[in-house]
Amino acid sequence: SQQGEEDPQALSIQEGENATMNCSYKTSINNLQWYRQNSGRGLVHLILIRSNEREKHSGRLRVTLDTSKKSSSLLITASRAADTASYFCATPDGSGNTGKLIFGQGTTLQVKP
Amino acid sequence: NAGVTQTPKFQVLKTGQSMTLQCAQDMNHEYMSWYRQDPGMGLRLIHYSVGAGITDQGEVPNGYNVSRSTTEDFPLRLLSAAPSQTSVYFCASSYGQGEEKLFFGSGTQLSVL
Repeated sequence: SQQGEEDPQALSIQEGENATMNCSYKTSINNLQWYRQNSGRGLVHLILIRSNEREKHSGRLRVTLDTSKKSSSLLITASRAADTASYFCATPDGSGNTGKLIFGQGTTLQVKP
Repeated sequence: NAGVTQTPKFQVLKTGQSMTLQCAQDMNHEYMSWYRQDPGMGLRLIHYSVGAGITDQGEVPNGYNVSRSTTEDFPLRLLSAAPSQTSVYFCASSYGQGEEKLFFGSGTQLSVL
């Protein structure tokens, strides 16, 4: 069962523009994570935001979390061609520290030079 | 540090054949898991392990077996390959103990004819 659903499924922007991706989830969580996947590669962890945080920054990345709406957004500012990738949100499944994450279907971002 | 190492990178099987996908991590991670990635489906959890000797099923476990005899290794066995198992398989690991960030291998692309 998908916990997180990303929106939009695909996004195409020009270099220098900002890219915003959204994630909605269904059940209560204690954290939400974002991952990036370059074509043909494994996923790479970008950022983790905990349920008691509303916003978190890492370099050009800004993540927000609204637990009342069960949604999160990932903003990439001043995008670069190297940001072209698929982006996934992920939330823990079940209780306890099992390491189980449930992933959304992802947003495919294309940044045109 | 090699991180999470998956072998082989590519594999073609005939229906009914069996094989083992290897996964090893050198980070002393407690938690390891296997995902499959299919177009339009995101990543789906197959099996996971919270430590040596402990495994459990994920969302799509049918047709797959796992074992965890050591902390480092978590092989995934396809018992009798079917075309529906054509997919890209990713192994991932995490520290656990409240650190849920996953480290991914580079994937195994499997085709079952």
